[in-house]
Amino acid sequence: EVQLVESGGGLVQPGGSLRLSCAASGFIFSNYEMNWVRQAPGKGLEWISYISSSGSTIYYADSVKGRFTISRDNAKNSLYLQMNSLRAEDAALYYCAREVILPPYNFDSWGQGTLVTVSS
Amino acid sequence: EIVLTQSPATLSLSPGERATLSCRASQSLSSYLAWYQQKPGQPPRLLIYDASNRATGIPARFSGSGSGTGFTLTISSLEPEDFAVYYCQHRSNWPRTFGQGTKVEIK
Repeated sequence: EVQLVESGGGLVQPGGSLRLSCAASGFIFSNYEMNWVRQAPGKGLEWISYISSSGSTIYYADSVKGRFTISRDNAKNSLYLQMNSLRAEDAALYYCAREVILPPYNFDSWGQGTLVTVSS
Repeated sequence: EIVLTQSPATLSLSPGERATLSCRASQSLSSYLAWYQQKPGQPPRLLIYDASNRATGIPARFSGSGSGTGFTLTISSLEPEDFAVYYCQHRSNWPRTFGQGTKVEIK
């Protein structure tokens, strides 16, 4: 069974940093592209970052570019999101999502999310 | 950045009725559009990919259509478990934007 389990969320002050992790199991992690998607309380979904299976290709949403860094460790079956210079508007539930390069192509598996609160 | 606009924002229907949700793109997506369902307290679930293909395990009452800039998700006869928020998302280029969502609520 495919499982994605996020961790590392919590309360952080504006300007602070957090590192989110996503532990993958039940599939060959190194074969899959991965993404982070966030959802502010009561709001819609926002895609924020992508990393290819090898880690060689990375994309970010403009809203986080220069502040967030996505990475992965295929030996540890883990995905990461380093978040720096956090702002109030970064407060959200952060999901990791698996992306497939074959049908159905899109985000076919999601974790339950980890909550980030940014407040002084 | 491609902007996806979903309508209506809220759809109030009764079980057994037909639901028709729209997603319009600011530029052509070919058929690279997906639909997700999200229930409270749960992550999104992939329903439809590439405009009209049902993902694994998705009931036949869900169907998608469209290409270019206009897409539709149809639920032929609403079941109680279908009341949720639905999002469209493209994979035409980066960033992979989502629509703002349509909430299907019980009338």
